[in-house]
Parts: sequence; structure tokens; C-alpha cells
Amino acid sequence: DAGVIQSPRHEVTEMGQEVTLRCKPISGHDYLFWYRQTMMRGLELLIYFNNNVPIDDSGMPEDRFSAKMPNASFSTLKIQPSEPRDSAVYFCAIRRGSWEKLFFGSGTQLSVL
Amino acid sequence: TQLLEQSPQFLSIQEGENLTVYCNSSSVFSSLQWYRQEPGEGPVLLVTVVTGGEVKKLKRLTFQFGDARKDSSLHITAAQPGDTGLYLCAGGFNAGNNRKLIWGLGTSLAVNP
Repeated sequence: DAGVIQSPRHEVTEMGQEVTLRCKPISGHDYLFWYRQTMMRGLELLIYFNNNVPIDDSGMPEDRFSAKMPNASFSTLKIQPSEPRDSAVYFCAIRRGSWEKLFFGSGTQLSVL
Repeated sequence: TQLLEQSPQFLSIQEGENLTVYCNSSSVFSSLQWYRQEPGEGPVLLVTVVTGGEVKKLKRLTFQFGDARKDSSLHITAAQPGDTGLYLCAGGFNAGNNRKLIWGLGTSLAVNP
């Protein structure tokens, strides 16, 4: 089932521009996660929220990255300014139930030129 | 530091063949999950194993958790083109409020008709 909707699906931007990625969890959850995926490093956890409160942002690579979750149905990941090394697929995921069962969105493919 | 090693990294086989992929670590996990990711989509959870020595079957897929809970394997019988994708393992630690999963880089499987 489509538990998480991400937008945009693809984003191409120039170095120095601001990028905002969006995540809309459709159904009930208690945790929301932002991941980044690259060929070299695989899936990396950037930040996660519990009941809309940021719990651990130690995976956020730099101050250029920020994330917000104003309510249970919406979260954003912002990169300002963007750099070519930020190019990756960014996933939003939610947790339902126990044992860290995660449901991922389809991701945003970000290319910074 | 990559705590979960997956092997092989790439695998290309013919339809009908059997295969096994591995997920190894020096760390002990409280749970281990297997996901399959198709191009352009997020990972989809296949199974969670939590008990050392546990074996779970999902149609033609057999998952095993090592006795010491440090490793796992996924065996596919009579592979089909629909099994093509990136297979990811992720280990969980039941440490207080730690919701971080440790991810492997994945095994990319191609099943040729």
C-alpha cells in the first residue's frame, strides 16, 4: 500500500540553489525517517522523528541540511545551498508496529549540477 | 564503517536456477530484516527474523538467521525474472530508544529469462 508519498520524484538543480524535498505519510505511524541512498555508501539515516519531534539528527551531513515535521502528515528535508556531492536518492520512511518495520516512499532522485 | 557485509555484490543467473545471498556481521543483532528494492522504488520489507537459528519461508524464498544472530542468508529456489532487484539486509539493536537500523550495501540480482 502507498503509505508514504514523496515529491518531487526527480529534481535537477544547480549548485548553490535551495532544494526542498517533501514527504506525506498517508496512514498511522509513530516514527518518520529520512534516508539518503548512493551506490558507494548505500542507505544512510539522516534524521528521524518520533511523534513529530526530531530525535536524532546525527546523520545530517552538514548545517546545509535541515528537516522539519510540522504535523503527523507532512515532513520536509531542505538543502541550502546544494552541492554536487548531495546528488543521491532521498527516501522518507515510516515505522508501523514493532521490530523497526519500515515502509518507504518511492524516493526523490536529486541531481545537483 | 560498514557493519553489515553482503555478498555477493552482484549476481546474474538464468531463470530456474537456485541462489543464496549472505549478510554477515561481527555484531549481534536483536533482529534482522530483508528488503527488496526495485529500480525507481523504495525498499520493500520481505521478512523480519528475531530468534537465533530461525528459518522463515516466503513462497520460494527461505530466510535464515544465524544461531549467534550475527549473520543471515536468503535462498531463492527456481528464480524468476520477477525476483530481479536489490536485496538489502538491515540489522536492528534493541537498545533503549535507538531506532537506527544498520544497512548492508545490498546484493543486486538479475534473473534472465
